[in-house]
Amino acid sequence: KQEVTQIPAALSVPEGENLVLNCSFTDSAIYNLQWFRQDPGKGLTSLLLIQSSQREQTSGRLNASLDKSSGRSTLYIAASQPGDSATYLCAVYGGATNKLIFGTGTLLAVQP
Amino acid sequence: NAGVMQNPRHLVRRRGQEARLRCSPMKGHSHVYWYRQLPEEGLKFMVYLQKENIIDESGMPKERFSAEFPKEGPSILRIQQVVRGDSAAYFCASSPQDSGANVLTFGAGSRLTVL
Repeated sequence: KQEVTQIPAALSVPEGENLVLNCSFTDSAIYNLQWFRQDPGKGLTSLLLIQSSQREQTSGRLNASLDKSSGRSTLYIAASQPGDSATYLCAVYGGATNKLIFGTGTLLAVQP
Repeated sequence: NAGVMQNPRHLVRRRGQEARLRCSPMKGHSHVYWYRQLPEEGLKFMVYLQKENIIDESGMPKERFSAEFPKEGPSILRIQQVVRGDSAAYFCASSPQDSGANVLTFGAGSRLTVL
């Protein structure tokens, strides 16, 4: 059974810092991994999608890496801003199940 | 393109009442997924449906919960005889035919509060 874990559960940083969010998964037989952002009381916004054959994806100040063999992904946020404050979720897709399996999220607070 | 539309956005029910949550997928999407997010927890898969067909309901509680996606109209998640533990955010997502869950578009969620 696939399990997805995110560390840390919460993170507070001053504006301008670079930061890394971690995601690990137990079954490496995935097709892809996604990082989502969730704002309080809102839905999910997809940030980055990494296919299993890829090592990383970049979008603006965000960079996500994937090490499928070790079951790990990181989301790197450069030059953080208060507007980056949100919960960040990683989710894996693949294996025998046609559904996304989500981690519990990292609550990020960027202090002005 | 209005995206995935969920309503109501907020729903309050007393214990024992019924809750009905609706989800209209994106235009052209024929697959719908329901997820539940309990307070301080991640999203948990509940059910995956195509039009008039339940594909995977492995995440649905065995009692009181049901889901449908009729030929016409939105997908409905129905919770009978609600209890306080049902209080959560319920998210719907849709995908195009045969694309699988890796290209899901999520709605804004319906937040159920059971008094």
